[in-house]
Amino acid sequence: AQSVTQLDSQVPVFEEAPVELRCNYSSSVSVYLFWYVQYPNQGLQLLLKYLSGSTLVESINGFEAEFNKSQTSFHLRKPSVHISDTAEYFCAVSDDTGGFKTIFGAGTRLFVKA
Amino acid sequence: NAGVTQTPKFRVLKTGQSMTLLCAQDMNHEYMYWYRQDPGMGLRLIHYSVGEGTTAKGEVPDGYNVSRLKKQNFLLGLESAAPSQTSVYFCASSYGTSGMGEQFFGPGTRLTVL
Repeated sequence: AQSVTQLDSQVPVFEEAPVELRCNYSSSVSVYLFWYVQYPNQGLQLLLKYLSGSTLVESINGFEAEFNKSQTSFHLRKPSVHISDTAEYFCAVSDDTGGFKTIFGAGTRLFVKA
Repeated sequence: NAGVTQTPKFRVLKTGQSMTLLCAQDMNHEYMYWYRQDPGMGLRLIHYSVGEGTTAKGEVPDGYNVSRLKKQNFLLGLESAAPSQTSVYFCASSYGTSGMGEQFFGPGTRLTVL
């Protein structure tokens, strides 16, 4: 069975500092990996995804994540955060079995301070 | 395009009351999902549907029923609400016929059961 572990429930960071949000998964088959972002009082929206090919994927607002198969990780990074990045971030995994369900991690709340 | 919409946005129920949450999508997606979000637990799948007229149980289906009579609508029913069902409920849809499909989320319904 698949599972997703987000190692930090909260990450406070100062504006313009770098940040890494950690995500580890377990699965016995090939996976697809996602990061979703949830701004206050909104639904989730896709930030970036890994399906195949290059292990480094990027979003349009400066986030990147690297798929590491040997460490079963998909950590999210940004070299310089903004106040507007304050949100909750969810790592998720799916595959082509089991009815195509996506498993979400518990979430990491990123709080960017001025 | 409105994307995924949910009604109502907020609701307060007394224990034992019933209600129906409505989800609608205008993207012609085959797959639709109902999740609940609780602090520290991420998103948990309640029920899902892989097409009009079909539904299936997710991770936490007890106490909920669903129907998908039309492709664009997915209804979540609580027949006899309990305080444990206090949560934020999200509907999502996806076009993918595999695990690669991104999910599109509605804005959520905040339900309190007294």
